[in-house]
Amino acid sequence: EAGVAQSPRYKIIEKRQSVAFWCNPISGHATLYWYQQILGQGPKLLIQFQNNGVVDDSQLPKDRFSAERLKGVDSTLKIQPAKLEDSAVYLCASSLEDRNEQYFGPGTRLTVT
Amino acid sequence: LAKTTQPISMDSYEGQEVNITCSHNNIATNDYITWYQQFPSQGPRFIIQGYKTKVTNEVASLFIPADRKSSTLSLPRVSLSDTAVYYCLERAGNNRKLIWGLGTSLAVNP
Repeated sequence: EAGVAQSPRYKIIEKRQSVAFWCNPISGHATLYWYQQILGQGPKLLIQFQNNGVVDDSQLPKDRFSAERLKGVDSTLKIQPAKLEDSAVYLCASSLEDRNEQYFGPGTRLTVT
Repeated sequence: LAKTTQPISMDSYEGQEVNITCSHNNIATNDYITWYQQFPSQGPRFIIQGYKTKVTNEVASLFIPADRKSSTLSLPRVSLSDTAVYYCLERAGNNRKLIWGLGTSLAVNP
């Protein structure tokens, strides 16, 4: 069974530039999560989708971050414009339904200079 | 404010049993407590989850007391490859918000 795919794996941008991350969840998983993980900290949930609807985006900085999940499958997370403090690993995870057993992708390491 | 608390780091030796405890101050009534393992440059990996009492799988055991205010992950006979960060995950409050602990960095020494 294929796991959660993410791209790119690494990205370096300058502050005020834009960046987008892509995630393809495990086939059949209705729930998709985007997390931000700063070095030395636990994952912080940015947004949770159930199919193509948003369940929780309370910690998403909506002035600069946006996410969508078209057709309830793939998802993209965008940052525009990026700030230095956005440097982190962005993790995508999926689960069959809204449950704690989640499957994570390898993450995208973002460096903002 | 809901939060989970776990030790920042732990040291152990190969072959020992390691117990990592997480406290949950506002856990949702009907949700599981879940533990993950994370290696450097990888996403977290599901280890085990439980609702109450004891759960055991091929990797670990999970002990949850009746009040569900804490949980203890038990790793039997650890090896060097168990060196990783371990996170507890719960859902808290009436809106079942996902709450991750800050992680326990376990170092297994030869």
